Amino acid sequence: DAGVIQSPRHEVTEMGQEVTLRCKPISGHDYLFWYRQTMMRGLELLIYFNNNVPIDDSGMPEDRFSAKMPNASFSTLKIQPSEPRDSAVYFCASSDTGTWTYEQYFGPGTRLTVT
Amino acid sequence: AQKITQTQPGMFVQEKEAVTLDCTYDTSDPSYGLFWYKQPSSGEMIFLIYQGSYDQQNATEGRYSLNFQKARKSANLVISASQLGDSAMYFCAMREGGTSGTYKYIFGTGTRLKVLA
Repeated sequence: DAGVIQSPRHEVTEMGQEVTLRCKPISGHDYLFWYRQTMMRGLELLIYFNNNVPIDDSGMPEDRFSAKMPNASFSTLKIQPSEPRDSAVYFCASSDTGTWTYEQYFGPGTRLTVT
Repeated sequence: AQKITQTQPGMFVQEKEAVTLDCTYDTSDPSYGLFWYKQPSSGEMIFLIYQGSYDQQNATEGRYSLNFQKARKSANLVISASQLGDSAMYFCAMREGGTSGTYKYIFGTGTRLKVLA
């Protein structure tokens, strides 16, 4: 069974450019989470979806950030325009509330560098 | 407000010794779950162990055990017989059940463990 898939694994872009990060959750999982990890701020929850519906986006730092989940097998996190302070590792995670524990399965992350 | 506190930013342990990583939490929800994740230098997040708020016994998974003290709101991770491969960042996390059936997770700031040969 494939785990959570994220693409690209690394992204280097210039300030002002649009960046789109992609995530494919584990099949059958009903929750999807986007996190950002930096040395300064640790692991921050940006937004999460339940059955493709955004539930809480209070962690999205600014209007430059947007996330969508058009279907159960795909989600995107978009930053437009990007800024150097957006440089971080972005994780996607999914979980299945049909299990007892609801543990999250993380993707490998996308390392974003904005110059 | 939900809160997870890990007070040890870094720890050292001798190989083959046991080590305890501290985690305290705060929630007003009677139904919650506690997790520990490991993040090695390669960056991936690996689920280690889970404890439910209603579980009567402490969770164990191989060399990992969770010392759950509900009254103290602590969920410490114990790693027995440390190995060099245990060197990593360890995160404590909490999942709180929502009244509308939605769930939210928060993570602590992590503890970096270094196992010494």
